[in-house]
Amino acid sequence: GQQVMQIPQYQHVQEGEDFTTYCNSSTTLSNIQWYKQRPGGHPVFLIQLVKSGEVKKQKRLTFQFGEAKKNSSLHITATQTTDVGTYFCARYTGGFKTIFGAGTRLFVKA
Amino acid sequence: DSGVTQTPKHLITATGQRVTLRCSPRSGDLSVYWYQQSLDQGLQFLIHYYNGEERAKGNILERFSAQQFPDLHSELNLSSLELGDSALYFCASSLDRPDTQYFGPGTRLTVL
Repeated sequence: GQQVMQIPQYQHVQEGEDFTTYCNSSTTLSNIQWYKQRPGGHPVFLIQLVKSGEVKKQKRLTFQFGEAKKNSSLHITATQTTDVGTYFCARYTGGFKTIFGAGTRLFVKA
Repeated sequence: DSGVTQTPKHLITATGQRVTLRCSPRSGDLSVYWYQQSLDQGLQFLIHYYNGEERAKGNILERFSAQQFPDLHSELNLSSLELGDSALYFCASSLDRPDTQYFGPGTRLTVL
């Protein structure tokens, strides 16, 4: 019930191609956060979405929160080798727990 | 640099032993969270402390315990270690709610 499912598990792209990862929940989410973890590094907070249908952009990254607040996506335009890493979505349950998705590992070939 | 510090960076120990991992949150942050990340796995929430009080428990084993001290640093104690406890242990902090968490560099625990 509280889990968030992330797909795909892995994605290999050629540098310059676009990339999208999806986060889905069976229940309505009050919020969704996105984190990036570089290989050998620690998770770094990217953004939080709270409003239905919200869209936020950070340079080449576009984050969306679904109208029903049950899904979210992260889209990267024209990937670069610096985008390599694992992208996690996470939900704050309100019971002071944070549930992370399994992550999507992005590989970028130069 | 997130401002969250964790020590030690690496820890190698034997089965059955007990270890303590330490975390200092960002200046001003009252909440501390502990996570376990096994090889190629996601982040498993262990426990959350706020201003010295336990606020939430996740999938934390009974062999594991944590506390947050008056100066807000936190320690995660792992006892009767098993091979399967080998993992990266991350600490994160936030001002209050866990909607924006700042992660430390992690402690890599290897149990032999």
